[in-house]
Amino acid sequence: GAGVSQSPRYKVAKRGQDVALRCDPISGHVSLFWYQQALGQGPEFLTYFQNEAQLDKSGLPSDRFFAERPEGSVSTLKIQRTQQEDSAVYLCASSLGRYTDTQYFGPGTRLTVL
Amino acid sequence: AQTVTQSQPEMSVQEAETVTLSCTYDTSESDYYLFWYKQPPSRQMILVIRQEAYKQQNATENRFSVNFQKAAKSFSLKISDSQLGDAAMYFCAYLIGAGSYQLTFGKGTKLSVIP
Repeated sequence: GAGVSQSPRYKVAKRGQDVALRCDPISGHVSLFWYQQALGQGPEFLTYFQNEAQLDKSGLPSDRFFAERPEGSVSTLKIQRTQQEDSAVYLCASSLGRYTDTQYFGPGTRLTVL
Repeated sequence: AQTVTQSQPEMSVQEAETVTLSCTYDTSESDYYLFWYKQPPSRQMILVIRQEAYKQQNATENRFSVNFQKAAKSFSLKISDSQLGDAAMYFCAYLIGAGSYQLTFGKGTKLSVIP
């Protein structure tokens, strides 16, 4: 009965390094979302997958951000050449079917770029 | 731009008392969904309550209830018999039923519960 899990929970990167953040959704969940949460703010949408198809990536802030879900389960958010403004908590959520179903969130990955 | 406004950055309530958190939203869509999420200091976001815009009846979940005023675009959360475990950030959010996959959040209200 596991929920959404994310790894690592904390990541410290030097500016210019590439990072990869992993999300394991609830088993059987079709929809998967990534959000970015800056300190003291609400989460902001990054991208949405339905199975392996990335249907919306309009929230990705730059072409340095890339997400994939190749087999329709685990997803990876990759950030290339990290910048200080990328420091945030990255949240993953999944929902059972349609994107309008309730989203269940993971604990997040706190990324700090030095 | 479609927005969610939570006008109370911080609120406090005495244990066992009732508190209401405010939320207004701005959308021109008729088909949408509204949510309140709770985020304790451990950071995991938990759904508190969900309301479909087409439903007239206000949603309730145990001690949590909403006052959904569609015409006023208002969606407040009432917490009755407040408990220490209710202390958290509360986020109001909405999702349009068609044409967008984005769950839009407000900036949150930090709720403190005083013993």
